[in-house]
Amino acid sequence: GDSVTQMEGPVTLSEEAFLTINCTYTATGYPSLFWYVQYPGEGLQLLLKATKADDKGSNKGFEATYRKETTSFHLEKGSVQVSDSAVYFCALRVHGSSNTGKLIFGQGTTLQVKP
Amino acid sequence: GAGVSQSPSNKVTEKGKDVELRCDPISGHTALYWYRQSLGQGLEFLIYFQGNSAPDKSGLPSDRFSAERTGGSVSTLTIQRTQQEDSAVYLCASSSRGDRGTDTQYFGPGTRLTVL
Repeated sequence: GDSVTQMEGPVTLSEEAFLTINCTYTATGYPSLFWYVQYPGEGLQLLLKATKADDKGSNKGFEATYRKETTSFHLEKGSVQVSDSAVYFCALRVHGSSNTGKLIFGQGTTLQVKP
Repeated sequence: GAGVSQSPSNKVTEKGKDVELRCDPISGHTALYWYRQSLGQGLEFLIYFQGNSAPDKSGLPSDRFSAERTGGSVSTLTIQRTQQEDSAVYLCASSSRGDRGTDTQYFGPGTRLTVL
């Protein structure tokens, strides 16, 4: 079945450090890939997405590239800020006529950035 | 414009009671989803509505769970005879169309359900 695996957290970094959160997937069809973020006390927000191989999604300094050959969609940011502290979820949706478009999520990775 | 709204934001109930959770999607969105977020299971899909099509109920964990969507807009998730393992945050999301994998799902703030 379709699934998403994320690196386990929590991830603790100092401000301005480089961030990588690994995400790999298994999909029977051709998925779109997403990163959602959940800030403390808030709802899930779309951070970025990529809909086909080699696409790069980017937003707020975060980037992720859809790598079909390695079935990965790793999230990166060059210089994290305290305000980036949140839980990050990698997710996929498989295309196709029989697909309901439901999102399949990874377990989430908690990021804590210290000043 | 207004986002997805859910009510109540918090619900505490006793084991065995029924609860109803409400979701108001973004106006004009034809696709509506319910998910559940719990410590043990992470984020899991429950049910999906798309226009007038039959809903996809494949994620509902038991027959105590049901949902309806009236007039293609507001949705209600009902849990009958609640159990402690039903304690979770119930999230609603909507998108402009559900049958395209590229569409963005917009999430509401969730309803935190606690079953005592």
